[in-house]
Amino acid sequence: QQQVKQSPQSLIVQKGGIPIINCAYENTAFDYFPWYQQFPGKGPALLIAIRPDVSEKKEGRFTISFNKSAKQFSLHIMDSQPGDSATYFCAAHALGGSEKLVFGKGTKLTVNP
Amino acid sequence: DTGVSQDPRHKITKRGQNVTFRCDPISEHNRLYWYRQTLGQGPEFLTYFQNEAQLEKSRLLSDRFSAERPKGSFSTLEIQRTEQGDSAMYLCASSLGENIQYFGAGTRLSVL
Repeated sequence: QQQVKQSPQSLIVQKGGIPIINCAYENTAFDYFPWYQQFPGKGPALLIAIRPDVSEKKEGRFTISFNKSAKQFSLHIMDSQPGDSATYFCAAHALGGSEKLVFGKGTKLTVNP
Repeated sequence: DTGVSQDPRHKITKRGQNVTFRCDPISEHNRLYWYRQTLGQGPEFLTYFQNEAQLEKSRLLSDRFSAERPKGSFSTLEIQRTEQGDSAMYLCASSLGENIQYFGAGTRLSVL
């Protein structure tokens, strides 16, 4: 059972474009939603995270939009650069207990020069 | 280097052999996680330690898998009688309480 659904699977944009990656979750106990960036041969690195008490969070060129009623959240990358080419994963966990992360399947982003 | 360290980075083994991976978390991080990542998929949770206690194990962790975290510092993940289906990237992450999980670069296992 996939608890976090991520789309699209891959995405190609031109430099300066604004790629948008979407995720939807099922478990209403989830209350922490991070996005991770992974380059080939590396482990995932945290980009930005949000809790459901806010609808939007910005950090630099990265923005998370969160819709609690729809159980959806998305990542926007402003002014994308070739160096942003990587695989992006959304994730979720419930506070308390182990707080294990449940990941989406990932989106491979390519930013062309 | 103050990040999460994993060793080895790559391991090639023959089916049926035992393998052991090591993870050194960020100093003073009390929580340690193991995840498995296969090609084209997101990481999947395997097991979790708080200090030296193993508090949760996934159904993915068959009897051939065992993990330890003696003294609440480094952790080892052992796979006995490896199978081709065990081929994956094994990721370790650590955190301090209810905070960000920092991932290591992983150990890529290939079972021939």
